[in-house]
Amino acid sequence: NAGVTQTPKFQVLKTGQSMTLQCAQDMNHEYMSWYRQDPGMGLRLIHYSVGAGITDQGEVPNGYNVSRSTTEDFPLRLLSAAPSQTSVYFCASSYSYRDTEAFFGQGTRLTVV
Amino acid sequence: KNEVEQSPQNLTAQEGEFITINCSYSVGISALHWLQQHPGGGIVSLFMLSSGKKKHGRLIATINIQEKHSSLHITASHPRDSAVYICAAYNTGNQFYFGTGTSLTVIP
Repeated sequence: NAGVTQTPKFQVLKTGQSMTLQCAQDMNHEYMSWYRQDPGMGLRLIHYSVGAGITDQGEVPNGYNVSRSTTEDFPLRLLSAAPSQTSVYFCASSYSYRDTEAFFGQGTRLTVV
Repeated sequence: KNEVEQSPQNLTAQEGEFITINCSYSVGISALHWLQQHPGGGIVSLFMLSSGKKKHGRLIATINIQEKHSSLHITASHPRDSAVYICAAYNTGNQFYFGTGTSLTVIP
């Protein structure tokens, strides 16, 4: 039982490049979400999904795309990386969208130069 | 204005001390989570509560729904408790709102 697997752990991009951050969970969780963590600001929700085929925007969705074609996977795509997207990204999942424990991936430290 | 406010931002304690971290929130919630983030960056869920009190080992979490306030207590603190503790309010709109965290250092 791997929990939430997030890859890569570190990534450096040039401005304008695109990339996908991978997130997979093997706990049959309905709810998955992506956050970014910036110094002094706490975690902020980018996008979330309450089940396969369903996604919605969070607090800071601009510049990011998501899809949820399967229950297990919830990739986050950066369409055209900008220095403002330099951050630490976390994926999380929980069994349902309310009242259950959240499990987090190990994080991806992304630097856009 | 942050929907979730934590205090203190930084806390240094001697080993063995009783520690309290406070969290106030302004949104309607279905659950309140306490998370722990270690220096390596990983985040672990400590508690999820919607009423009353929960205890796990030396950690105790309480919530007062009427006052929109939660506390995390650590009894007999230990250097391995050194981490950032994050309060997260899960609101009725399916979104998490996070506090900025309390950085705890426990000195031997």
